[in-house]
Amino acid sequence: RKEVEQDPGPFNVPEGATVAFNCTYSNSASQSFFWYRQDCRKEPKLLMSVYSSGNEDGRFTAQLNRASQYISLLIRDSKLSDSATYLCVVTLGTGRRALTFGSGTRLQVQP
Amino acid sequence: EAGVAQSPRYKIIEKRQSVAFWCNPISGHATLYWYQQILGQGPKLLIQFQNNGVVDDSQLPKDRFSAERLKGVDSTLKIQPAKLEDSAVYLCASSVLQGAKNIQYFGAGTRLSVL
Repeated sequence: RKEVEQDPGPFNVPEGATVAFNCTYSNSASQSFFWYRQDCRKEPKLLMSVYSSGNEDGRFTAQLNRASQYISLLIRDSKLSDSATYLCVVTLGTGRRALTFGSGTRLQVQP
Repeated sequence: EAGVAQSPRYKIIEKRQSVAFWCNPISGHATLYWYQQILGQGPKLLIQFQNNGVVDDSQLPKDRFSAERLKGVDSTLKIQPAKLEDSAVYLCASSVLQGAKNIQYFGAGTRLSVL
């Protein structure tokens, strides 16, 4: 079983749509959670951290359910510029801080 | 602030040849990581350094891969000899703790093609 699992997509949505991505992680000791964005042939960049209480950054909302080991990302009012691969990422926390990535979910926003 | 610098950006070699990649982290970042990203997959950690010491190299194929960070700043990753399955993007990242958070910043990567 993969440590972090995501639906690879692609998700093809029209501009202005709301789209949600889900992710599950296998290690219950995971302590930190993130969503990274990766544009084609570019490096991953941090989109947002994910907190237990849920958090929002503009059009982006992230949720964490520790009991179900489940993370989500909601994008409202999609823009063409949101087209990218979204990587779900966890870390084990103290000491070993390296990121464990999912394979990513590809989003294509269409005009 | 300058980002993580990597070179070369692209490298094409034949199988069984050797190759080396270089990384210069963000100034002041004590932790440095090398990741391998195969097409269609997320990055996978190869090795993590804290200053010039290795924290985690459990996923580094040590029969052919080696890495060093002798002075706790720049790092090199070497593959000798390369195999076809080593074709990937090799990403270097560095980080520093900001409160309780460990935010990693990635370089643009080195795209390796093994023919």
